Amino acid sequence: AQTVTQSQPEMSVQEAETVTLSCTYDTSESDYYLFWYKQPPSRQMILVIRQEAYKQQNATENRFSVNFQKAAKSFSLKISDSQLGDAAMYFCAFLRVPGGSEKLVFGKGTKLTVNP
Amino acid sequence: GAGVSQSPSNKVTEKGKDVELRCDPISGHTALYWYRQSLGQGLEFLIYFQGNSAPDKSGLPSDRFSAERTGGSVSTLTIQRTQQEDSAVYLCASRRGPRSTQYFGPGTRLTVL
Repeated sequence: AQTVTQSQPEMSVQEAETVTLSCTYDTSESDYYLFWYKQPPSRQMILVIRQEAYKQQNATENRFSVNFQKAAKSFSLKISDSQLGDAAMYFCAFLRVPGGSEKLVFGKGTKLTVNP
Repeated sequence: GAGVSQSPSNKVTEKGKDVELRCDPISGHTALYWYRQSLGQGLEFLIYFQGNSAPDKSGLPSDRFSAERTGGSVSTLTIQRTQQEDSAVYLCASRRGPRSTQYFGPGTRLTVL
């Protein structure tokens, strides 16, 4: 079974600075996807970024980028130029493909606080 | 609709009562998921639908939990004889096809008194 570990229950960052959230996972699969989802107090889970395991290039979405180290099974999220609206719970998630239900396996989450 | 919708937003019930939670997926999305988010267990998978069938029910915690999907669209999660440990946020997600991103609804917060 796959497991996802987020070792930082809470993190804080000053507005406009950079913060990195850590995620490690355990799997014997070679074909999978990794995700970072953001959950603000509204409860809505919002996709931040997605990485295909077969792609060596790290995914980037505007101020959000990942450092995907497949051999180390590490998938960290870097948020640059942090904004007040980035404050939320961040969940790392694993998805095994192909076939099957493609259900997401989540880490416990990291609560990010952005200080003005 | 533009996104996944869920109703009710919040539900308070008494222990032993039955509850029904509803999910409307994004139009055209064939796959639908239910997840549960609780303080003790984090986010955990409950059930997966492909069309109207549920090939993976492995996450349902007990036989008090059931779900159905009709017309390849709306899904209802039913919890019978609710217990206090059922208190959680129930999230629904849908996706268009294989390898595509799951999009989540705003969830239903269930409180069992």
